[in-house]
Amino acid sequence: QKEVEQNSGPLSVPEGAIASLNCTYSDRGSQSFFWYRQYSGKSPELIMFIYSNGDKEDGRFTAQLNKASQYVSLLIRDSQPSDSATYLCAGQGTGNQFYFGTGTSLTVIP
Amino acid sequence: GAGVSQSPRYKVAKRGQDVALRCDPISGHVSLFWYQQALGQGPEFLTYFQNEAQLDKSGLPSDRFFAERPEGSVSTLKIQRTQQEDSAVYLCASVQGSNQPQHFGDGTRLSIL
Repeated sequence: QKEVEQNSGPLSVPEGAIASLNCTYSDRGSQSFFWYRQYSGKSPELIMFIYSNGDKEDGRFTAQLNKASQYVSLLIRDSQPSDSATYLCAGQGTGNQFYFGTGTSLTVIP
Repeated sequence: GAGVSQSPRYKVAKRGQDVALRCDPISGHVSLFWYQQALGQGPEFLTYFQNEAQLDKSGLPSDRFFAERPEGSVSTLKIQRTQQEDSAVYLCASVQGSNQPQHFGDGTRLSIL
């Protein structure tokens, strides 16, 4: 079992809709979680990070963390075609390692 | 520099050759990570440094892989006797401190012929 699991997709949503990306993790000791966006042929770029249970909002993005269910999600409101990319979920384990999921491919259809 | 710098951006080598990949982290960042990313996959952890100390190398796939960070800044990932399965993008990331996000370089795309 991988430390971080993501549905690889692809996920398609129409422009203006809400895109919901989900991630589960196995290490109960993980404290920090990160969402990265990766365009094809590019390196991952940080979107958001979250440490505490609940929601964290930043512009069109909302990260949600539920430590009891070991579940992390990212909501993208008012999705734009430029949001089309692969979204990587990562958790920081107890040994300071970062574990990445395989990524969810998102396509926003104009 | 302002960001993490990796070189070369692209490297083509023949099977059996040795290669060296360089990472120059963000100034002042204590921790440095190396990842291997195959096409369509997420980054896979290789190794991690805190300053010059290599604290975890459990992700290195074989003893052909070796990483160093002798002065706690620039790091080099060396792959000896390269094999075709070593073809991937090698990403370097640096972190300022605990519970902080990683900042990635542009990666080195390695192709073994």
